[in-house]
Order: sequence, then C-alpha cells, then structure tokens
Amino acid sequence: AQSVTQLDSQVPVFEEAPVELRCNYSSSVSVYLFWYVQYPNQGLQLLLKYLSGSTLVKGINGFEAEFNKSQTSFHLRKPSVHISDTAEYFCAVSDRGGKLIFGQGTELSVKP
Amino acid sequence: DARVTQTPRHKVTEMGQEVTMRCQPILGHNTVFWYRQTMMQGLELLAYFRNRAPLDDSGMPKDRFSAEMPDATLATLKIQPSEPRDSAVYFCASGLEGTTIYFGEGSWLTVV
Repeated sequence: AQSVTQLDSQVPVFEEAPVELRCNYSSSVSVYLFWYVQYPNQGLQLLLKYLSGSTLVKGINGFEAEFNKSQTSFHLRKPSVHISDTAEYFCAVSDRGGKLIFGQGTELSVKP
Repeated sequence: DARVTQTPRHKVTEMGQEVTMRCQPILGHNTVFWYRQTMMQGLELLAYFRNRAPLDDSGMPKDRFSAEMPDATLATLKIQPSEPRDSAVYFCASGLEGTTIYFGEGSWLTVV
C-alpha cells in the first residue's frame, strides 16, 4: 500500500522569504509524484509532477520539487514567496495506475 | 481550456433526501475519480472508473453511496439517504491511464 506524509500541517512565512514544504512517501513499487495547490473555495490545481527522468522538477508559479528516491521524499520549494501563494498544498503519489493517494495537506500562510 | 465540469457547485439538502452529483470528464480521458474532502479526513478516494468500468469503490460507504458512468461523458455520484456526516466537498477528476489527473471545481454539499 502507498502512503504520503506531509510533515508540516502549517507553514507561516514572510513575503519574499524562501519556503520548503516537506513530503515523504512510502511505496513498494515505482511511483509518480505530484504537488497540487488548492486556493480557498476552489478545486485542486496541478503545480508539478515527477514521472521519470530528471529528479529536479520545475512547475508553475516558480515552484520546484526534488525527487529523492533514497530518502523517499519529494519536497516542494520556492526561493521567494508572494502573498498570492497563500493556499493549501497537497503532495500525492500514484502507482502509475492513475489512482492518487494524497497527504493531509500543508497550509502555507504568507505574511507581509 | 478543457476542464472537468461538476454540477451542482453548491447543494444544501435535508437529511434523508437523495443527492445526485454529476461530472463531465475531459473529452478523451478514460479514467474518472470521485474524491471527498473534509477537514477531518482530508482528501479520500471514494471510487474510480476506467473506460466506464468501476475499478475500485472500496472507499465508498456501500449502503448509501453509488457511483456510475452511464456513458463516457457523464459520471454520477448518488447518496441516498443523505446524512449530516456526508457534508463535504466532492471532487470529480479525470485523466488518461498513468498520467496526470485534473480536478473539477467541486460540489459543496451541506446536509442539515
């Protein structure tokens, strides 16, 4: 069975500061990894994904994530956050069959 | 832009009433998912279909929930009878097998 653990439920950060949202997964098979963002009262939007190839993945809005197989991690980073990045961020794993298993989410709060 | 369309966007109903949520997946996508989001449980997979056939509905309470795909352009999730604990946001998502899945905006259900 697969599972995802997002290590921080809330991350407060000041505008223009760097941020890292941590995600660890467990799986007995090869996986695809995803980060989704959810703005208040909206659906989930894909930020970035790792399917294969380069372990450093770049996504929308200046976010990037690095797949680390040995540490079973897929942490999300941004070098300088904006107020508009305030949202809930979800890490997810798929067994390549398409079914996504989500972490509990990390609430990113960017303060001026 | 192609998108997953869900109706209704918002629904308030009385306990015991039947609720039907509908989803139009992105044209050409062969996999459709139903997720439920609550504060307590986060994002839970209720059921999913591939090529209109149900693959996994183990996350769905069988006594009151049912999910179907009458055709490739329509997926339905029905609750009968509804209960207050069913209050949640229900997301439909679609994708091609083994690749990214895309979410609709959600159906916000309140059962009073």
